[in-house]
Parts: sequence; C-alpha cells; structure tokens
Amino acid sequence: GEDVEQSLFLSVREGDSSVINCTYTDSSSTYLYWYKQEPGAGLQLLTYIFSNMDMKQDQRLTVLLNKKDKHLSLRIADTQTGDSAIYFCAAPRGYNKLIFGAGTRLAVHP
Amino acid sequence: GAGVSQSPSNKVTEKGKDVELRCDPISGHTALYWYRQSLGQGLEFLIYFQGNSAPDKSGLPSDRFSAERTGGSVSTLTIQRTQQEDSAVYLCASSLVEGADNSPLHFGNGTRLTVT
Repeated sequence: GEDVEQSLFLSVREGDSSVINCTYTDSSSTYLYWYKQEPGAGLQLLTYIFSNMDMKQDQRLTVLLNKKDKHLSLRIADTQTGDSAIYFCAAPRGYNKLIFGAGTRLAVHP
Repeated sequence: GAGVSQSPSNKVTEKGKDVELRCDPISGHTALYWYRQSLGQGLEFLIYFQGNSAPDKSGLPSDRFSAERTGGSVSTLTIQRTQQEDSAVYLCASSLVEGADNSPLHFGNGTRLTVT
C-alpha cells in the first residue's frame, strides 16, 4: 500500500474549521510534515511535528499526532479563502527520502 | 538568495530533444533533492545529493534521466530524448543538513516541462 495516504478533497465554508487527515506507515519517522501548494507555486513548508509530541499549535494551525494509529491531522481554524490550496502530508522513509501523500485539495466557499 | 531558485520556470520542447533544468539551493544547504509532480499525481522522488555526490538516485525513471551537482551548490537535471510522458513539474528542494528525518525540505517553484 501507499506509505502516506490522504483524502483528496475537502470543501468548507469560510470561517469554519478545516481538518485534513493523513495516515502513514513508517513507524520510525521522527518528524512529520505539512506542506501547502498554491496554484503555480512550489511547496511551502507549513509546519512539522516531532514524533514525541501529541500536538503542536501555531496560530491558526493545530497538528495532532496519534503515533499508535500512525494518524496525523492538520486543523485550520477560521478558514479563509486564502487557505484554498493543496495540502500535502509528508513522512520520511529511511534517512534521505521524504514521501508525500497525494495531497488534499481544500476549497473554501463563502 | 532567500529561497530555492529554479530555471526555467516553463519549458516547452519537442519530443526527442534534450532538456536541462537548473536548481540553485538555499545558500549553506548541504542536501539537495529533485522531485517530479505529474498532473493529478503526488510527488515522486527522483534523486538526492549530499554535497556533490548522489547517494540515492533510485527514483530516476530511466537512463535518459541524469543529474549532477557542482561546488556543493547548483544542480542540473538533464533529460535526454524527451518523451511525452516526461511532461510534469520538476521540483527541487534543499535542506540544511543531510537526512529528511531531521531537516525540513524547502522547495523551489518548479520547472513546468511540456513535451510536444
């Protein structure tokens, strides 16, 4: 199976919270990452979490990690139209590779 | 520069031609990565450099693909005899130290390659 899996689409109303989920397979991952990709742009590092943490909060972003279930989530509070983008979850495989999920396309509507 | 710089941003080429894609990593970053993003696909790892050597080139799809890095800085990805299936966005990333497990990757904006 895939090393990193994400749902492909999420649609939310402006002002609501968005939750993007991700599962991974490599239990030895030390850091787990969230990247954001806007149209025509590269990937922007949003945030990352160390595997000995359960939660990390950074302004409107909250990352939750359930290491037992190998489940990672990204919550965006008070979602704005500028948050519309593709969000990628990424986990290291071995020492050198970062494996990405297929990306979740977030659409924010009024 | 402040970030990873890639050139050209767009490249259209005829099938069978060779192309070179360039990446300037963030100054001081020792590790450099190439990924490919095809339409509707996720990111596919191609090759990784530590300094000028490539310990992991397992993701290069065929022997038409090669990459080099000189001076521990600039990298060039070369695709020979391009095919239509090579059409994709080629993304370069760099990280401060070796090891994707302890050093975040910072990406450039990519080169969009279209093979006609």
